[in-house]
Amino acid sequence: QKEVEQNSGPLSVPEGAIASLNCTYSDRGSQSFFWYRQYSGKSPELIMFIYSNGDKEDGRFTAQLNKASQYVSLLIRDSQPSDSATYLCAVGGHSGNTGKLIFGQGTTLQVKP
Amino acid sequence: EAQVTQNPRYLITVTGKKLTVTCSQNMNHEYMSWYRQDPGLGLRQIYYSMNVEVTDKGDVPEGYKVSRKEKRNFPLILESPSPNQTSLYFCASSSLQGRREKLFFGSGTQLSVL
Repeated sequence: QKEVEQNSGPLSVPEGAIASLNCTYSDRGSQSFFWYRQYSGKSPELIMFIYSNGDKEDGRFTAQLNKASQYVSLLIRDSQPSDSATYLCAVGGHSGNTGKLIFGQGTTLQVKP
Repeated sequence: EAQVTQNPRYLITVTGKKLTVTCSQNMNHEYMSWYRQDPGLGLRQIYYSMNVEVTDKGDVPEGYKVSRKEKRNFPLILESPSPNQTSLYFCASSSLQGRREKLFFGSGTQLSVL
């Protein structure tokens, strides 16, 4: 079982729709959860982080965390073509290597005009 | 501007020829790390460092070396590159103060070993 799992996609949504990206993780001790956006050929860029159960909103982005289900999601409202990218879920809070993030393989999002 | 600087951006080399990829950050971060990114395998940690002169292996350290002589620099060394080290490499850094693990990435180095 992979430590952090994401559906690789592609996930295709029309412009203006809500994109829902999902991620599950295996380590119940994980404490920190991140979403990175990566455009083709570019480096990952941090867009959201969440530490507590529930929702966290930042502009058009909402991160949702359910530790009991070991599930984290990212909602993108009013999707724009510029949101087309690969979204990486990352999980941290590992004892010893306290700065380490474990990444999922990423979900490719395509927003069609 | 706060940033992580990697060089070179692209590198083509031949099997066995030693190379170094440099990484420097200007944010006074304690934690620095190297990742490689391969299709279907995602980002995997190679080595990390929690402070000067403190380094340790990540998940895929074979064939790589690192050093941390200064806080800002964390070079990645391939003593004898092989074709299976062809990959996209990222250096990243974060602060170990307060909430950790907010990684900031360099722009990446695309390495091809022939």
